[in-house]
Amino acid sequence: GIQVEQSPPDLILQEGANSTLRCNFSDSVNNLQWFHQNPWGQLINLFYIPSGTKQNGRLSATTVATERYSLLYISSSQTTDSGVYFCAVESGGGADGLTFGKGTHLIIQP
Amino acid sequence: GAVVSQHPSWVICKSGTSVKIECRSLDFQATTMFWYRQFPKQSLMLMATSNEGSKATYEQGVEKDKFLINHASLTLSTLTVTSAHPEDSSFYICSANNRLAESTDTQYFGPGTRLTVL
Repeated sequence: GIQVEQSPPDLILQEGANSTLRCNFSDSVNNLQWFHQNPWGQLINLFYIPSGTKQNGRLSATTVATERYSLLYISSSQTTDSGVYFCAVESGGGADGLTFGKGTHLIIQP
Repeated sequence: GAVVSQHPSWVICKSGTSVKIECRSLDFQATTMFWYRQFPKQSLMLMATSNEGSKATYEQGVEKDKFLINHASLTLSTLTVTSAHPEDSSFYICSANNRLAESTDTQYFGPGTRLTVL
C-alpha cells in the first residue's frame, strides 16, 4: 500500500514564529488532506489538496503531485495552533479510506 | 455543512460485553463511511469501509466477526465491538464523504468514541 511520511515528528516554536510541515507519499494520490487533531481527539479539516496551492488565513498548503510531497505552512503561530497535524492520502478511485502519516506534534510556547 | 456525529463519545465496559458505536452524517447523505482506530500517541489506522446496503470491506488484520459494521441507511453506520477485551480499548473514529453533493472526495470526521474495556 501507499506510504506516507511526515516530518518533523516534533516541533517546538515560540509564539509568532512560522513553521513548515512536510508530507511525502510513495504513489500518486486522488485525495490528500491535512488535519489538526485537537486535545479532545477531534480531527479538524484544514485542507483538501491533492494538487496545487490553497490558503486559509494564517495557514496555507501546497501539493506537488508530480514530486509526491505536500507542505503545510503556519505563519505567526499562536498557542492554539499546538497539537498534532496529520497528512492523509487516498490513492484508489476516490471511495477508499485514507492512509495517515504518523503526524507532526507541534508545540507553540508563549 | 458536512457534519458527522458519533455516539457515545466515551464508554467503559466490562470484558466480554459488546459495545455499539453510532456514526451519523447530520446534514448530508453518505454512501460510504469509514471506521478508523487510534491507539494512544499513534496515528489513525483504517479498519473498514462501510457501504450503504452492502457488506463492509475490512482491512487486513481486522477481524470482521469481532468488529461488526452495519450501514443500513445513507446517514447511519454502526460499529459493534463484540466480546470486548482490554486490548480493544482505543479511540474509534468514523468518517464520511459527501460524494453525492460534492465534486471532491473530502472526508469529514466524527468526534470519536473512546472505548475503555476493564
